[in-house]
Amino acid sequence: GENVEQHPSTLSVQEGDSAVIKCTYSDSASNYFPWYKQELGKRPQLIIDIRSNVGEKKDQRIAVTLNKTAKHFSLHITETQPEDSAVYFCAARATSGTYKYIFGTGTRLKVLA
Amino acid sequence: SQTIHQWPATLVQPVGSPLSLECTVEGTSNPNLYWYRQAAGRGLQLLFYSVGIGQISSEVPQNLSASRPQDRQFILSSKKLLLSDSGFYLCAWSVGGHHSNQPQHFGDGTRLSIL
Repeated sequence: GENVEQHPSTLSVQEGDSAVIKCTYSDSASNYFPWYKQELGKRPQLIIDIRSNVGEKKDQRIAVTLNKTAKHFSLHITETQPEDSAVYFCAARATSGTYKYIFGTGTRLKVLA
Repeated sequence: SQTIHQWPATLVQPVGSPLSLECTVEGTSNPNLYWYRQAAGRGLQLLFYSVGIGQISSEVPQNLSASRPQDRQFILSSKKLLLSDSGFYLCAWSVGGHHSNQPQHFGDGTRLSIL
């Protein structure tokens, strides 16, 4: 079945450094890729998404890149701050023939002050 | 704008007792609705999804069931809870249909503890 692999499972960076989280998906029909941030005890919140007709999207310190040929997409956070500490989930969805979002297993990001 | 409400926020139940968690969405019609469970420190496990009133798809065999009695209402139930049912239950919605490239939006979740 469809699968999304996410790496690394944990990531520690110094405040001000960059963080990169990578995901690989299996369903070549996937063409929508959201990223969620989940703080401890809270709901996952959408932080950025990308659609298959775009290779890169940026929103202030957050960017997402997509390589459809390799079936990879990545989240880049620059100038990290302590409030970026959370669990990040990637997801993939094919916009035809399915209603499901396939989630990665999550990355726990810790930004060290 | 659209909002999603989930209740209760926390629940402590004895083993063998019944369960009913409710989720409602406002500001949209004919949404796709989803129930997820998240064990402590783990990922999101899809339990059920619904694309319309009375239409329920089950992803994982278990002692839970779901119902959608109204367009924007999604209920998660159990007749007899097990210890393994403990977890953080999240309801989510997305724009209806299967041609949508829109995100899911999550409710605030219900933290369920089974004693």
